[in-house]
Amino acid sequence: QKEVEQNSGPLSVPEGAIASLNCTYSDRGSQSFFWYRQYSGKSPELIMFIYSNGDKEDGRFTAQLNKASQYVSLLIRDSQPSDSATYLCAVKGKRFGAGTRLTVKP
Amino acid sequence: ETGVTQSPTHLIKTRGQQVTLRCSSQSGHNTVSWYQQALGQGPQFIFQYYREEENGRGNFPPRFSGLQFPNYSSELNVNALELDDSALYLCASSLGQGAGAYNEQFFGPGTRLTVL
Repeated sequence: QKEVEQNSGPLSVPEGAIASLNCTYSDRGSQSFFWYRQYSGKSPELIMFIYSNGDKEDGRFTAQLNKASQYVSLLIRDSQPSDSATYLCAVKGKRFGAGTRLTVKP
Repeated sequence: ETGVTQSPTHLIKTRGQQVTLRCSSQSGHNTVSWYQQALGQGPQFIFQYYREEENGRGNFPPRFSGLQFPNYSSELNVNALELDDSALYLCASSLGQGAGAYNEQFFGPGTRLTVL
């Protein structure tokens, strides 16, 4: 079992829709979780982090954490074509999943 | 754009050679982490340096080594290059150590290494 797992996608949503990205992790003792966005040919950039169970909102982004089920998700509301990128989940800051490629179609 | 810089941008080496990659951290940051990102994969943690000392290492062989200098810039050295070492090498800077340090982890643009 991989330490951090994400669906590779591609995930395609229409402009204005909600994009839902999921991540599961194997280390039950993990306490910190991060979402990064990586545009093609660029380096990852931090979107947000979450430490506590529940939801954390930042603008159009909402991170959701469920430690009992060992999953963390990222919701992107009102998706825009500029959101098209690969989204990376990182556990403990340094253990990354393979990423989910998101395409937002106009 | 972050304040993290890396050099060179691209590099081509042959199997068995040695390579040194360089990273300058963002002003005020004292921690540098190095990652290897193969095509289509997420970054894999190589190691981290905090105040010139190695502060954690991923599952990479000893031929991957590093240094951090008093100004907190850093080098990644890879000896006896193998074809599978071809990847994007990313450095990231942050402040402090422990979980909170990753709350503001900024990546450099990366060095694309090709091993022939």
